[in-house]
Amino acid sequence: GNSVTQMEGPVTLSEEAFLTINCTYTATGYPSLFWYVQYPGEGLQLLLKATKADDKGSNKGFEATYRKETTSFHLEKGSVQVSDSAVYFCAPRVGTDKLIFGTGTRLQVFP
Amino acid sequence: DAGVIQSPRHEVTEMGQEVTLRCKPISGHNSLFWYRQTMMRGLELLIYFNNNVPIDDSGMPEDRFSAKMPNASFSTLKIQPSEPRDSAVYFCASNPQGAESPLHFGNGTRLTVT
Repeated sequence: GNSVTQMEGPVTLSEEAFLTINCTYTATGYPSLFWYVQYPGEGLQLLLKATKADDKGSNKGFEATYRKETTSFHLEKGSVQVSDSAVYFCAPRVGTDKLIFGTGTRLQVFP
Repeated sequence: DAGVIQSPRHEVTEMGQEVTLRCKPISGHNSLFWYRQTMMRGLELLIYFNNNVPIDDSGMPEDRFSAKMPNASFSTLKIQPSEPRDSAVYFCASNPQGAESPLHFGNGTRLTVT
């Protein structure tokens, strides 16, 4: 089955710092890869996705590249803002299989 | 597009009572998922439906939990009898057909069982 490993949080950064949140996955088949973000009191929402090897997903300054050889999909942002404080979830999905989420990584950005 | 609608937003009940959580998916979406989120266990998939048919309920904790999807626009998750360890935020999500389509989540129901 599918599984995902994310770096432990919380990740604490100052505003304008560089962000990396690591994600590695295992999947039977060729997954699509997703990053979701959860703001306090809300459900998860899609941040970005990539559907094939070497694709780069990007949104709101965040980026992640689909690395098939290392089965990774690390999330990066060059300059974080206080408003980026949230919990970030990595998730692979193969076909119409159930979507399994990692444990989530809490990001705290201070001014 | 109203998004996925869940009700109630908050539910407080006493141990032993029946609890019913409701979800209205986005119109036209073929798949519906129920997740539970706690600090200890993170986000757990309980059950999901494709075209109103339950596909995988292996995440349902025990027989006290049941889920139905009588039509394409409505689903319920029922806990009977409820226990304090069921306290969590329950999310419903839907998505259209296809692996590349993202899930759309509701804002969740926060359940507290005392």
